[in-house]
Amino acid sequence: GDSVTQMEGPVTLSEEAFLTINCTYTATGYPSLFWYVQYPGEGLQLLLKATKADDKGSNKGFEATYRKETTSFHLEKGSVQVSDSAVYFCALSDRMGAQKLVFGQGTRLTINP
Amino acid sequence: NAGVTQTPKFRVLKTGQSMTLLCAQDMNHEYMYWYRQDPGMGLRLIHYSVGEGTTAKGEVPDGYNVSRLKKQNFLLGLESAAPSQTSVYFCASAGSYYEQYFGPGTRLTVT
Repeated sequence: GDSVTQMEGPVTLSEEAFLTINCTYTATGYPSLFWYVQYPGEGLQLLLKATKADDKGSNKGFEATYRKETTSFHLEKGSVQVSDSAVYFCALSDRMGAQKLVFGQGTRLTINP
Repeated sequence: NAGVTQTPKFRVLKTGQSMTLLCAQDMNHEYMYWYRQDPGMGLRLIHYSVGEGTTAKGEVPDGYNVSRLKKQNFLLGLESAAPSQTSVYFCASAGSYYEQYFGPGTRLTVT
């Protein structure tokens, strides 16, 4: 079945550092790809998405590009802030029927001032 | 516009007890989902619904039942709770554009 693999966490960075969180996927079809963010004590929020190859999703300074040739959707931010501390989930949807999401295991990010 | 709400926020059960978690959405979404979140495992789909009166099994359905009698509500039931069902439960809903909206979660502990 479809699956998503994220880089192991936790990740700890200093404020203003460059962030990359790797995400790769396997899928039999042509999925849509997502990054969700979970702040402490809250539910998940959609951070960005991409629905076709070479699409770049972006939001709040975060970016990710849908790379079909490498089956990847890596999350990047040029200068992180303390407020970016959260758990980040990569996910895919097969875009069929019930639009079910398959999640990666999550990467906990901590930004130190 | 409250989005997706879940009740209760916290619950402690003894092994063998039953309970129902309620999810409500006010966005007129057709699709609704129940997930569980366990450390290091991301979110796993328990059951889902593609419309009022429909339900289907997800990845980890054993020990749970669901009902969708009204479009805006999706109930998750545990008939006989087990310690392995200690988890954080999230409900989500979705409309036409693949984006799922999540509730704040219910933290369940089974002792």
